[in-house]
Amino acid sequence: AQSVAQPEDQVNVAEGNPLTVKCTYSVSGNPYLFWYVQYPNRGLQFLLKYITGDNLVKGSYGFEAEFNKSQTSFHLKKPSALVSDSALYFCAVSPWDQTGANNLFFGTGTRLTVIP
Amino acid sequence: IAGITQAPTSQILAAGRRMTLRCTQDMRHNAMYWYRQDLGLGLRLIHYSNTAGTTGKGEVPDGYSVSRANTDDFPLTLASAVPSQTSVYFCASKRGQGPYEQYFGPGTRLTVT
Repeated sequence: AQSVAQPEDQVNVAEGNPLTVKCTYSVSGNPYLFWYVQYPNRGLQFLLKYITGDNLVKGSYGFEAEFNKSQTSFHLKKPSALVSDSALYFCAVSPWDQTGANNLFFGTGTRLTVIP
Repeated sequence: IAGITQAPTSQILAAGRRMTLRCTQDMRHNAMYWYRQDLGLGLRLIHYSNTAGTTGKGEVPDGYSVSRANTDDFPLTLASAVPSQTSVYFCASKRGQGPYEQYFGPGTRLTVT
């Protein structure tokens, strides 16, 4: 069975400092991994994804994530946090399946607060 | 503006009543999804549809039904609402089968009393 763990419910970081939001996964076969962001009273917005190839994936708003197969991790990072990055972040995994449906399984989310 | 619309934005519903949440997309995406978001549980898949005319069950399908008569619309029906169905419901769509990103609607906040 597939699962995603986001071990931190809350991450606080000072503006201008680097940020990391952690994600580990469990899935059979090669994983497809995603990060989404949710601002208050809004739907989820896609940030980036890993399908194959380079382990470092760059996405929207200066975010990037590093796929680490041996540690089954896909941590989200940004070199310099902005107050506007404060939001709820979700990691998701999509296992390959024969139907090609590639449904998403989400973690429980990490609330990021960037302190001015 | 292309995207996904959901209606209603919010609703208070008496237990036992029937309710249909509407979802429409104008991106001509083949795949559509319904999720519920609950505090501490993240998003959980209720039902999905890979293409018009087909549907499938997700992680938490009990008490919900869906239909996919055409590409654009994917309504979610609660036949007899119960308080445990109080949640925020999100509709999403994806271009097709494969590891494409999903696009989400703004959500419907449902309270069952």
